[in-house]
Amino acid sequence: QSVLTQPPSASGTPGQRVPISCSGSSSNIGSNPVNWYQQLPGTAPKLLIYYNNQRPSGVPDRFSGSKSGTSASLAISGLQSEDEADYYCAAWDDSLNGVVFGGGTKLTVL
Amino acid sequence: QVQLVQSGAEVKKPGASVKVSCKASGYTFTSYDINWVRQATGQGLEWMGWMNPNSGNTGYAQKFQGRVTMTRSTSISTAYMELSSLRSEDTAVYYCARAPGLGYGMDVWGQGTTVTVSS
Repeated sequence: QSVLTQPPSASGTPGQRVPISCSGSSSNIGSNPVNWYQQLPGTAPKLLIYYNNQRPSGVPDRFSGSKSGTSASLAISGLQSEDEADYYCAAWDDSLNGVVFGGGTKLTVL
Repeated sequence: QVQLVQSGAEVKKPGASVKVSCKASGYTFTSYDINWVRQATGQGLEWMGWMNPNSGNTGYAQKFQGRVTMTRSTSISTAYMELSSLRSEDTAVYYCARAPGLGYGMDVWGQGTTVTVSS
C-alpha cells in the first residue's frame, strides 16, 4: 500500500492528452513539492517533472505537472508511442521523514 | 558527462549482507545527496534512505532502520549502501540517485544493481 495514490493504469491514442493523478495528504503533497518520474521498460527511472511543474532540460513541453492542495497531476499531451512507460509521483513526507512514492501508473498508447 | 555507475549483480543467501557501490563522476560528489531506491520485479519504487556525502549525515526509511547503512568515500566519489539480514523479500534492483537536497527531484540515476537473495 503506497502512501501516495495513483491509478494503476491509463491509456490513450496517439495525439491525445492523458492526465495521471496522484493523491496524498497534508504531510506530503500538502506541504512539499511533487516530483514525477518516467520509467521505460527495463531502464532506470528518469526525472520528468520537479518542484510540481518544472521540466528538466531535455524533457519535452508535452509533459506538464500541477499541484493543488493534497493532489497533483501529470499531463501528457500529443501522446506518442514512446511515452508508453510507468509513471511515478513522489514527495517528501514530514511525518515519515522520508520520500514517499505513488504505486505507479502504467501508461499504454493504444 | 554526469553519471552514477553501480557495482555488479549480487547473489546472497538469507541472513547475509550485501554492499552496493555507486561511483559518481562528472560533478562535485559532495554537492548532491545520494538516495537509494529499490524495486522488486514487477513492483513500484521504494525509497530506502539518503546520505549527504559532504557531512556523512544519513536518514533511513523506518522499514529499513537497523538493517541499512549508507556510507561514502569522498576520495573516490563513491557511495555505498549495505543491507544486512537479507531475506527473500529483499530480492530487487537497487538504484542510487542524486538529488540537490531532501525532497528535491532525483535527477541522475545509476543503472541499477540486481540483488538476489536465495538459498
